[in-house]
Amino acid sequence: QFHLVQSGAEVRKPGASVKVSCKVSGNTLRELSIHWVRQAPGKGLEWMGGFDPEDGEAIYSQMFQGRVTMTEDTSTDTTYMELSSLRSEDTAVYYCATGTIHPYYMDVWGKGTTVTVSS
Amino acid sequence: IQLTQSPSSLSASVGDRVTITCRASQGISTYLAWYQQKPGKAPKLLIYAASILQRGVPSRFSGSGSGTDFTLSISSLQPEDFATYYCQQPKSYPRTFGQGTKVEIK
Repeated sequence: QFHLVQSGAEVRKPGASVKVSCKVSGNTLRELSIHWVRQAPGKGLEWMGGFDPEDGEAIYSQMFQGRVTMTEDTSTDTTYMELSSLRSEDTAVYYCATGTIHPYYMDVWGKGTTVTVSS
Repeated sequence: IQLTQSPSSLSASVGDRVTITCRASQGISTYLAWYQQKPGKAPKLLIYAASILQRGVPSRFSGSGSGTDFTLSISSLQPEDFATYYCQQPKSYPRTFGQGTKVEIK
């Protein structure tokens, strides 16, 4: 079983950007479609976007359109999620996840990266 | 596509049968997953394609439904099952989650 290894916790001021990484360990990124899900403190899960398994294009939730960018570096099997114009409501745990049994269903998850936005 | 779970929370005892429902705002065939999340942990896939049990998940968990109405059942609640459960649809973008159902100890 492979793992998704996420980067460490980040603290940013409002208006700044943050870039979180998710490295595939034990498999190759080319075989996977990575998605990002976030969870604000005490709240539910929110799908942010991911790479479509059909064409490999990044698809974003309208909630983050214009502020989020997801990229892949297949040479290092690492995917990135960058969120800009941060506000306090973006304080959350950010997870990367992927499906191995089927690309639609996320059965492998990273441990999560805590992003805190505070002045 | 909006997913509405009910109830939002429930209290149950060890050994109880528990049922959680998830209703989609439009038909999604059987494109539905159920996840379990414990505090401070990443979600864990329990059931996919509405009724297929993920490998390693105890058989006391089961899922059913198609179209707009889905159910997650736990036949005999165990201490390790106290958690929050989410449904999610991958039928179309955005891949929405339900708001979650917290299962607490009575």
